[in-house]
Amino acid sequence: SQKIEQNSEALNIQEGKTATLTCNYTNYSPAYLQWYRQDPGRGPVFLLLIRENEKEKRKERLKVTFDTTLKQSLFHITASQPADSATYLCALDITGANNLFFGTGTRLTVIP
Amino acid sequence: ETGVTQTPRHLVMGMTNKKSLKCEQHLGHNAMYWYKQSAKKPLELMFVYNFKEQTENNSVPSRFSPECPNSSHLFLHLHTLQPEDSALYLCASSPRQGSNTEAFFGQGTRLTVV
Repeated sequence: SQKIEQNSEALNIQEGKTATLTCNYTNYSPAYLQWYRQDPGRGPVFLLLIRENEKEKRKERLKVTFDTTLKQSLFHITASQPADSATYLCALDITGANNLFFGTGTRLTVIP
Repeated sequence: ETGVTQTPRHLVMGMTNKKSLKCEQHLGHNAMYWYKQSAKKPLELMFVYNFKEQTENNSVPSRFSPECPNSSHLFLHLHTLQPEDSALYLCASSPRQGSNTEAFFGQGTRLTVV
């Protein structure tokens, strides 16, 4: 069964709005969670890492939250731009073997 | 440019061919990874090497054979593949396995098996 779920396969939003992407996980309590961006035909690029003892992390227009009780992370892009259009992946260690496992990703499209 | 280079970028091979994918990192990292990315599926971890030693084989068929001659280079040798093996193969590196830092990915090799 899928242990890392990114609820929306695709998300369309208007330019300037805030995009919110969700990542849910089961069966483990990871020490950290990561978010990546992937453009078509290219490898994922790291964006943010949040540790289990951190509730929130920010980087420029990006914000990540981590709720270890709900086993959920939210990824926000404020003041979204068409250049933010990409697939966003969450990743975490779900086995304790210190290897990254990825969700299926959410394809974000920011409409001008 | 992430510091991880994969060659070739595209590969078409027949089911009876033997080919190899190459990955090189210039980041001084000690852990290297192979992932497979198929359409509509999450990245699948295939192999992990930490300080040149294989530490993970995620139930990968033997027609995929990894090789890590040193911490900077990683190969994936392919033989008698099936059409369902067509995918984007991604290499990644990190300072060491379990370092709790991000992974750096190459651009991937788009493999098509005909």
